[in-house]
Amino acid sequence: EDQVTQSPEALRLQEGESSSLNCSYTVSGLRGLFWYRQDPGKGPEFLFTLYSAGEEKEKERLKATLTKKESFLHITAPKPEDSATYLCAVQASASYDKVIFGPGTSLSVIP
Amino acid sequence: EAGVTQFPSHSVIEKGQTVTLRCDPISGHDNLYWYRRVMGKEIKFLLHFVKESKQDESGMPNNRFLAERTGGTYSTLKVQPAELEDSGVYFCASSQDRVGNYGYTFGSGTRLTVV
Repeated sequence: EDQVTQSPEALRLQEGESSSLNCSYTVSGLRGLFWYRQDPGKGPEFLFTLYSAGEEKEKERLKATLTKKESFLHITAPKPEDSATYLCAVQASASYDKVIFGPGTSLSVIP
Repeated sequence: EAGVTQFPSHSVIEKGQTVTLRCDPISGHDNLYWYRRVMGKEIKFLLHFVKESKQDESGMPNNRFLAERTGGTYSTLKVQPAELEDSGVYFCASSQDRVGNYGYTFGSGTRLTVV
């Protein structure tokens, strides 16, 4: 069964303290892996798509990487405005359009 | 560019009643998706429209749920009759391509509470 897990469940960082979030997946043929950010009361906001092992994408203080079994979202020198829940989702080759979301990591950045 | 609009933002109904959720996708987006998050669980797929056609409705939980997309524009999701376990946040999303480089654009969701 296709599955996505994320760790840690919650992470509290001081402003400027870099860290990484983990997304582990089991899927029958990866078509794409997605990272989203979700703020309270809002829908998920798209950040990145990764397609193959070794691929990396960057946006401001965020960098996403992908291996055959997991993806990391690295946050460099985070600011309080980076506080949000970060969701990982995968799309299996057989499922075409639907994606499977992980439970998310709730990130709090303290000034 | 206007985003994906959902309404109502909140709905509280009694068990056994009917509720209809509406989603207006981004103009020109042929692909429209419904997802939901029930309490403490992950966001899960319900169904996918391409224009007015249902491409995949494998995530619809049972026949109390009916989704339509009139003329390939806005979509409605009707729950009839509602049960307690239907409570959760229902998200609509749209995309121009089929979940490729730009992912989905999500609406802010409808929080449904069945009492």
